[in-house]
Amino acid sequence: QVHLVQSGAEVKKPGSSVKVSCKASGGTFNNYGISWVRQAPGQGLEWMGGIMPAFNTVNYAQKFQGGVTITADESTNTAYMELSKIGSEDTAVYYCARSKGYCSGGSCFFNWFDPWGQGTLVTVSS
Amino acid sequence: ENVLTQSPATLSLSPGERATLSCRASQSVSNFLAWYQQKPGQAPRLLIYDASNRATGIPDRFSGSGSGTDFTLTISSLEPEDFAVYYCQQRNNWPPTFGQGTKVEIK
Repeated sequence: QVHLVQSGAEVKKPGSSVKVSCKASGGTFNNYGISWVRQAPGQGLEWMGGIMPAFNTVNYAQKFQGGVTITADESTNTAYMELSKIGSEDTAVYYCARSKGYCSGGSCFFNWFDPWGQGTLVTVSS
Repeated sequence: ENVLTQSPATLSLSPGERATLSCRASQSVSNFLAWYQQKPGQAPRLLIYDASNRATGIPDRFSGSGSGTDFTLTISSLEPEDFAVYYCQQRNNWPPTFGQGTKVEIK
């Protein structure tokens, strides 16, 4: 059974960047995608974007386009999410989640998110 | 994007009672809707997928129904561990979207 293990909590200064990792243990990324979901304090879930390595395609939600970079290293079964020029509004828990899916015409359609990583708290503070 | 609206925002019930949660989509999602449970300090967990299929290991007191734009998650008899926040999510339209959540709290 696959588990997704994320990197630890981060405290960052405004304007800096942060990179969060998500490693699949007990399984691989083969034919699966990894999405990143943000949860601000006391708020709901927000899909940021996802990667489908088998299709060599990454999709970003419009809100996060240009500020987020999602990559994957299939050799180590690890996905990454980098946020750049972060501000206080980026303080949140970031989750990765695995799903099957496919890409067509540049858009990737992700199946249900299961399993999820444990979450990584990113705190932006001066 | 397809906006999912969950109601009520909070449901106050006692253990043993029946919980009925609603999710309404702004556009049809066919049956491509899932429900997740999230407990404090934990990641969401998939409960129901394709509107009515229980995920692996999910007790049969959880059931989902609906199609098109209106969906329901029912917990037939609340157990103490069921008090949590529940989110619906659609994957029919890009991008995938979540509802704002329904908190099921102990009355």
